[in-house]
Amino acid sequence: DADVTQTPRNRITKTGKRIMLECSQTKGHDRMYWYRQDPGLGLQLIYYSFDVKDINKGEISDGYSVSRQAQAKFSLSLESAIPNQTALYFCATSDLGQYEQYFGPGTRLTVT
Amino acid sequence: GQNIDQPTEMTATEGAIVQINCTYQTSGFNGLFWYQQHAGEAPTFLSYNVLDGLEEKGRFSSFLSRSKGYSYLLLKELQMKDSASYLCAVLDSNYQLIWGAGTKLIIKP
Repeated sequence: DADVTQTPRNRITKTGKRIMLECSQTKGHDRMYWYRQDPGLGLQLIYYSFDVKDINKGEISDGYSVSRQAQAKFSLSLESAIPNQTALYFCATSDLGQYEQYFGPGTRLTVT
Repeated sequence: GQNIDQPTEMTATEGAIVQINCTYQTSGFNGLFWYQQHAGEAPTFLSYNVLDGLEEKGRFSSFLSRSKGYSYLLLKELQMKDSASYLCAVLDSNYQLIWGAGTKLIIKP
């Protein structure tokens, strides 16, 4: 079984809709991250969480919100989706004191 | 600002050697990572350098020069499965990863 899972894997939604992307991990890591990836650009950090009570904005948090429901679960929400949020979204985890990040398989989101 | 530069695309021949360069200007430095990403898939860890010098791991080696803000990933005995994007990322003073846009490596028979 995969250590970091994301659901859904693909999603098409319309402008203005609310959508939630979910991430679960069985690695026991405290730290979790949400990134988006656009063609030709590097991974951009949206939000990160060092534990259930510690959530921080990344470089591109506008238009997004997150929830850390448990150590193993970190959800990303788009309150009102817009077309320029069409991208590949990755969840990642890392262990305390370690900086290597482990990525989920990604969610391909299309906003029409 | 923070900046990581890598070539956008490189082409090499199966069985050959290729070097992918990465230069960086970041607020602080706590290490440099290389990840491999096949199209449509998740990035996977290749190497981590925090001290100057060359780290060898099988067919892949990674080099770091902190004074020059420079790293390279060296891939030997190229195989078709090495066709992928290679991402350089720097751990900055806040221990956040700053990512380059990646280098797409195309391997030809």
